[in-house]
Amino acid sequence: DTEVTQTPKHLVMGMTNKKSLKCEQHMGHRAMYWYKQKAKKPPELMFVYSYEKLSINESVPSRFSPECPNSSLLNLHLHALQPEDSALYLCASSHVGLAGGTIRTTDTQYFGPGTRLTVL
Amino acid sequence: AQRVTQPEKLLSVFKGAPVELKCNYSYSGSPELFWYVQYSRQRLQLLLRHISRESIKGFTADLNKGETSFHLKKPFAQEEDSAMYYCALGCSNDYKLSFGAGTTVTVRA
Repeated sequence: DTEVTQTPKHLVMGMTNKKSLKCEQHMGHRAMYWYKQKAKKPPELMFVYSYEKLSINESVPSRFSPECPNSSLLNLHLHALQPEDSALYLCASSHVGLAGGTIRTTDTQYFGPGTRLTVL
Repeated sequence: AQRVTQPEKLLSVFKGAPVELKCNYSYSGSPELFWYVQYSRQRLQLLLRHISRESIKGFTADLNKGETSFHLKKPFAQEEDSAMYYCALGCSNDYKLSFGAGTTVTVRA
């Protein structure tokens, strides 16, 4: 399996709802990412997990809560979102290269198809 | 801080004409450069990576450290090349991939 999968494809939620986005990969990648992408804009990094531990949180509001239950799965829990949070949410994964005992930059990132989120 | 600049927001070319997408980066260390492509209603996917030095779908890109550029070129554009193209920069000891603003390419018949 050489793809990153994401569910659901589309999600409509109210501002008081709680929902979760799911991402899965079986490529043996130990780095997984959440991005937010607005129309005609580049992806914006939200979170990075490396070996199932949160490595980067790009000052994302607490209404977004990531979780990495194992090396193949990545979740994004959503609660009390705002209409401006409506966007395409992308998951990605990559190998993690080690050089000189220091974790270095990512290998090629492989992206999922995204979840189109609409907050009413 | 690292930065990627794609100066052209839109690029329109005729089928069979050459196409070049510009990408300049700012980074003091040893960069890793990528070109990603996003076709309509499809996922973001890797087109080229500078260290592989491959030619994919007729596209090539050469890293020029002197000019801090990684321009994407194709000698004869095809209609199926119409898409959004992002240049991205990876840096040592950092998981972040810095994306340029993107260039929308339209290939006309």
